[in-house]
Amino acid sequence: QSVLTQPPSASGTPGQRVTISCSGSSSNIGSNYVYWYQQLPGTAPKLLIYRNNQRPSGVPDRFSGSKSGTSASLAISGLRSEDEADYYCAAWDDSLSGLVFGTGTKVTVL
Amino acid sequence: EVQLVESGGGLVQPGGSLRLSCAASGFTFSSYSMNWVRQAPGKGLEWVSYISSSSSTIYYADSVKGRFTISRDNAKNSLYLQMNSLRAEDTAVYYCARARMIFGVADADMDVWGKGTTVTVSS
Repeated sequence: QSVLTQPPSASGTPGQRVTISCSGSSSNIGSNYVYWYQQLPGTAPKLLIYRNNQRPSGVPDRFSGSKSGTSASLAISGLRSEDEADYYCAAWDDSLSGLVFGTGTKVTVL
Repeated sequence: EVQLVESGGGLVQPGGSLRLSCAASGFTFSSYSMNWVRQAPGKGLEWVSYISSSSSTIYYADSVKGRFTISRDNAKNSLYLQMNSLRAEDTAVYYCARARMIFGVADADMDVWGKGTTVTVSS
């Protein structure tokens, strides 16, 4: 089961800013980096943010990540229709000795 | 082009076995740790297993520990997942994913993913 909690859905109109939260614990987010993945319908996940707030080359700067304590968040500014996707946070969990994903958030562009 | 291609999925009866493969190309496979991640129909992502570049470090999710075995053959640029005692809840698309950092430690940092192979466990 997922140990990182995300809201099931988020939405906004084109151009708006959307924020997705990810809540964990001291054994995962509290002591390790947070990563964010974007999964477009019918495709494999894509790394969106690494090491809390770093963007891989090719990821627009509209996407930004942050972390504070045992929580993290992903912000999408200037929302676009192509941002409609599922978003997952992830982190290593020292207590489980395993990788944990968030419950996932479906972003809808209205 | 950096690429991962999974194969070996299919329909299997409960209690049966299946071996998944992941063929890597376009990068020095032996330098990177690898993961298997699965996604049940209509559900979220679930990490399955991790193996370091030299196979010296291996981790499993509790849900598959004792039933699944991850391995790799660096000479063949291939990653494997041997799945035994399969259950209905193992039905999912299975992805192999490369760790982003060369010789990196185990974490959630995966920058290259395959398209996945589908495993269906049903009688």
